[in-house]
Amino acid sequence: DGGITQSPKYLFRKEGQNVTLSCEQNLNHDAMYWYRQDPGQGLRLIYYSQIVNDFQKGDIAEGYSVSREKKESFPLTVTSAQKNPTAFYLCASTPAGLYGETQYFGPGTRLLVL
Amino acid sequence: KQEVTQIPAALSVPEGENLVLNCSFTDSAIYNLQWFRQDPGKGLTSLLLIQSSQREQTSGRLNASLDKSSGRSTLYIAASQPGDSATYLCAVHTGANSKLTFGKGITLSVRP
Repeated sequence: DGGITQSPKYLFRKEGQNVTLSCEQNLNHDAMYWYRQDPGQGLRLIYYSQIVNDFQKGDIAEGYSVSREKKESFPLTVTSAQKNPTAFYLCASTPAGLYGETQYFGPGTRLLVL
Repeated sequence: KQEVTQIPAALSVPEGENLVLNCSFTDSAIYNLQWFRQDPGKGLTSLLLIQSSQREQTSGRLNASLDKSSGRSTLYIAASQPGDSATYLCAVHTGANSKLTFGKGITLSVRP
């Protein structure tokens, strides 16, 4: 089955710790996205990548970092600089990163701070 | 800056009722509008995508309309069922790189 997988489902972060969220897709899509969702809020874009080895900041990139070394993988690191990381994180992809394309989403990772 | 509004935040209806969910956006220069469904603790599932040149799209019991000039879209759900209970989000494309601006969603509860 083609789709997007995110792991882990739940992640706990200690004060001052960096943590990495995994996102993998086997849809052969070029573009991938990371969103953050807070309770009662819409999704906000953190980073996006339209091609391997290239990515751009979204609306709330501060305290986060990404890499895109492989087409199928787009990991997100939540750094210690992100002071309020508790949220639901969603990864998405589209075939070419152009307008008019449906976005496909993974199941999400919930990050909690200890 | 594009803003997307969905009112009310929550809605409860009895089973079998036809209902309309509203979405409004401030910048009419959109490429398309998408409606998603989100179950609690899950990712988003795309329901319908309406291109800027289209007026509506249909899928089963769902019908979405778009009025770009007035900055409005509606999602019509016919003969609602308890299984339709979820949060429904609308999102608009306003850039050439598939960046979406989301509304906060409407949480729908269909009572048996």
